[in-house]
Amino acid sequence: DQQVKQNSPSLSVQEGRISILNCDYTNSMFDYFLWYKKYPAEGPTFLISISSIKDKNEDGRFTVFLNKSAKHLSLHIVPSQPGDSAVYFCAAGGGPNAGKSTFGDGTTLTVKP
Amino acid sequence: EAEVAQSPRYKITEKSQAVAFWCDPISGHATLYWYRQILGQGPELLVQFQDESVVDDSQLPKDRFSAERLKGVDSTLKIQPAELGDSAMYLCASSSEPQGVSPLHFGNGTRLTVT
Repeated sequence: DQQVKQNSPSLSVQEGRISILNCDYTNSMFDYFLWYKKYPAEGPTFLISISSIKDKNEDGRFTVFLNKSAKHLSLHIVPSQPGDSAVYFCAAGGGPNAGKSTFGDGTTLTVKP
Repeated sequence: EAEVAQSPRYKITEKSQAVAFWCDPISGHATLYWYRQILGQGPELLVQFQDESVVDDSQLPKDRFSAERLKGVDSTLKIQPAELGDSAMYLCASSSEPQGVSPLHFGNGTRLTVT
């Protein structure tokens, strides 16, 4: 049973518009959530995170929203740039092994000029 | 910025052969992870070390996979014998936080192809 789900395999947006990437989780013990970005032939790089005690975290063009009751988080990128084109992974941690991150299958974002 | 080093970048091997991957984490990072990423899926944890001790290897196929971090610094992941289904990207990551979730620093991975 997949505990972290990214239901949209791909997303295409126009440069300058907003990109919204979604993630759902099932494990109530998760209390920390992270987004990673991955370019081809490179490892994932950390983008932004949020603790379960917050419902929003912002870092420049990137904002993550957390809805604990719905077990849902989203990543907003505004404005989107062509360099944002990459695979975005949602990850969650918490519970008995708090150091373990469980990843979703990723969403491929394409930002068109 | 310090990086996680992995080698080799690419490895092609025939099934039933042995393969080994090496990882050097960021200096001072006590926690080291090996993840496997199959194309189209997210990274899946194989093994987690805290210093030289295994914290979690529940998803490691122990009949063919082994991992060690003898001095609590660099680490080796071995597969013997390799099977066709082992073709994947093997990612090493490290973090500075001994307990609790913190961002992982990934290497660029080893792409394994088993023929």
